[in-house]
Amino acid sequence: AQKVTQAQTEISVVEKEDVTLDCVYETRDTTYYLFWYKQPPSGELVFLIRRNSFDEQNEISGRYSWNFQKSTSSFNFTITASQVVDSAVYFCALSETKLTYSGAGSYQLTFGKGTKLSVIP
Amino acid sequence: ETGVTQSPTHLIKTRGQQVTLRCSSQSGHNTVSWYQQALGQGPQFIFQYYREEENGRGNFPPRFSGLQFPNYSSELNVNALELDDSALYLCASSLSLRTESSYEQYFGPGTRLTVT
Repeated sequence: AQKVTQAQTEISVVEKEDVTLDCVYETRDTTYYLFWYKQPPSGELVFLIRRNSFDEQNEISGRYSWNFQKSTSSFNFTITASQVVDSAVYFCALSETKLTYSGAGSYQLTFGKGTKLSVIP
Repeated sequence: ETGVTQSPTHLIKTRGQQVTLRCSSQSGHNTVSWYQQALGQGPQFIFQYYREEENGRGNFPPRFSGLQFPNYSSELNVNALELDDSALYLCASSLSLRTESSYEQYFGPGTRLTVT
């Protein structure tokens, strides 16, 4: 069974500090996808990034960067120079594909419990 | 491009009642997934609909059922409500074409259900 662990329940940082959110996953599949979502107080999950299991290149998008390491089954997320607008709950998720009779892949997301990030001005 | 919308925003029901939640998928998407998010927890997969048929189900009892319509909108029905059903119900839409882009699910704002 697949599992996602986000060991950090809550993190508080002062504005402009860098912060890393940890994510460790378990899966028996060789093909899978990893995601990060942001959930602001409004409740809507905002897609941030998707990574497939064959691509271990780190990715940078503005102040956001992601470090994927298959050897340690980790997919960590770093925010550089944090801002108050970064305050939210961040979820790491894992997706495996299960082909169904319809012919379409059924890719259910398994989420971690989330890390609540508070950026203090 | 229209995003994922859900209705109603909030709902209060009594234990034992039935509830129907609605979701309109993002324009161009043909697949809808439903998730339950209890307070302080990550979302849990309920089921997914593709071409009006259930295409995968999580560990939820049969009193959780759904429908998908020809315009790809969807309903989640919950019968015999229990107190533990109180949660944020999230709908996500995606495009299933067996390409990488089909793995990105875009979420709506959710329906907060309170069962008393």
